[in-house]
Amino acid sequence: DAEITQSPRHKITETGRQVTLACHQTWNHNNMFWYRQDLGHGLRLIHYSYGVHDTNKGEVSDGYSVSRSNTEDLPLTLESAASSQTSVYFCASTGTLQETQYFGPGTRLLVL
Amino acid sequence: DQQVKQNSPSLSVQEGRISILNCDYTNSMFDYFLWYKKYPAEGPTFLISISSIKDKNEDGRFTVFLNKSAKHLSLHIVPSQPGDSAVYFCAASANDYKLSFGAGTTVTVRA
Repeated sequence: DAEITQSPRHKITETGRQVTLACHQTWNHNNMFWYRQDLGHGLRLIHYSYGVHDTNKGEVSDGYSVSRSNTEDLPLTLESAASSQTSVYFCASTGTLQETQYFGPGTRLLVL
Repeated sequence: DQQVKQNSPSLSVQEGRISILNCDYTNSMFDYFLWYKKYPAEGPTFLISISSIKDKNEDGRFTVFLNKSAKHLSLHIVPSQPGDSAVYFCAASANDYKLSFGAGTTVTVRA
């Protein structure tokens, strides 16, 4: 069955370290998204991509970057982790002509 | 500035009764609306959606109502079951594949 996976599921890191969260989908979806979930804010869009080599900033993109070298993967990098980036991160994807996004299981990140 | 608002952080309902979740939006460009359900330690799962050309959509126990003039939508769950206890997120799209989410409503179904 097609799916969307995230790794790691849990990560503890220190302030200032670079961290990369992986997202992999097997639906062959063009559109991929990264969100963070924080209490009181719901899910906020960090970065998104409409296809290979396309990346765009979302509403909370500062301190994060993404790259899209193939259809299946959209890794999220925290260049220099900050305590404010402690959160739960969700990856999602959707195909062309489809607004419904399908989410991965999430990565819980703690920055100490 | 949050464009999608869920003003009730929590809702408690007795098993078998109706759950009504509300959502308001401010962006008039939104034309597609979705509800997601989320259990702890899992990703959100799609529940039901509605296009702006409709005012109602049903799927089993779940019905979504859209009032475009009031920029308001609601989700009705009838009858509520213990497995419905979860966080429900309202989301909206402006035909660009991006979703704007509300803060969520935690539903607790009491036996």
